[in-house]
Amino acid sequence: DTAVSQTPKYLVTQMGNDKSIKCEQNLGHDTMYWYKQDSKKFLKIMFSYNNKELIINETVPNRFSPKSPDKAHLNLHINSLELGDSAVYFCASSPYARGSNTEAFFGQGTRLTVV
Amino acid sequence: AQSVTQLGSHVSVSEGALVLLRCNYSSSVPPYLFWYVQYPNQGLQLLLKYTSAATLVKGINGFEAEFKKSETSFHLTKPSAHMSDAAEYFCAVSDPGTGNQFYFGTGTSLTVIP
Repeated sequence: DTAVSQTPKYLVTQMGNDKSIKCEQNLGHDTMYWYKQDSKKFLKIMFSYNNKELIINETVPNRFSPKSPDKAHLNLHINSLELGDSAVYFCASSPYARGSNTEAFFGQGTRLTVV
Repeated sequence: AQSVTQLGSHVSVSEGALVLLRCNYSSSVPPYLFWYVQYPNQGLQLLLKYTSAATLVKGINGFEAEFKKSETSFHLTKPSAHMSDAAEYFCAVSDPGTGNQFYFGTGTSLTVIP
């Protein structure tokens, strides 16, 4: 059983298109995240949701919009794709536990290539 | 926000040699500390995490890390490198006051030379 699953694994699209990446976790976690990993492997947090509520929204263009229909799902929708959006996007989840060192569990990533 | 620094974006070791990957954090209150590994074209997998029960933490695949508050460090070591250890390694922190906000270092790419 895959704990955190993302679809699709690869996504190639043209500039200006709108695309979505889906993420689902079956771990019963309350918190989910989206991270962007650039070509230099740098991981940057984009969004964090706790129980369907946005708790982190780093400086990300508003072309990126997360949607959480329930606490097991956090999808990422990207409008008007640009070349600079090409990256690997990771979904992750963790239990919500203030004051506890619970770790984040990651999906396999979605490699987005904008041409 | 918490931050973490990994010295050395690329480390090469010979098979069988000691692996040392460095991580320093930058807050006065020790954060929660983690090491993750990323194999090519895969997601991140937890190697180990600091629990405050002991300063020396053992993880998977023979890796361990030592928490040193005086040096604000959490360096990752393995006594004898194996070819299968070649991967990208990330140190990460989260804030004990809030939890659930994971910030990653810039990563260290480990090459193992046969």
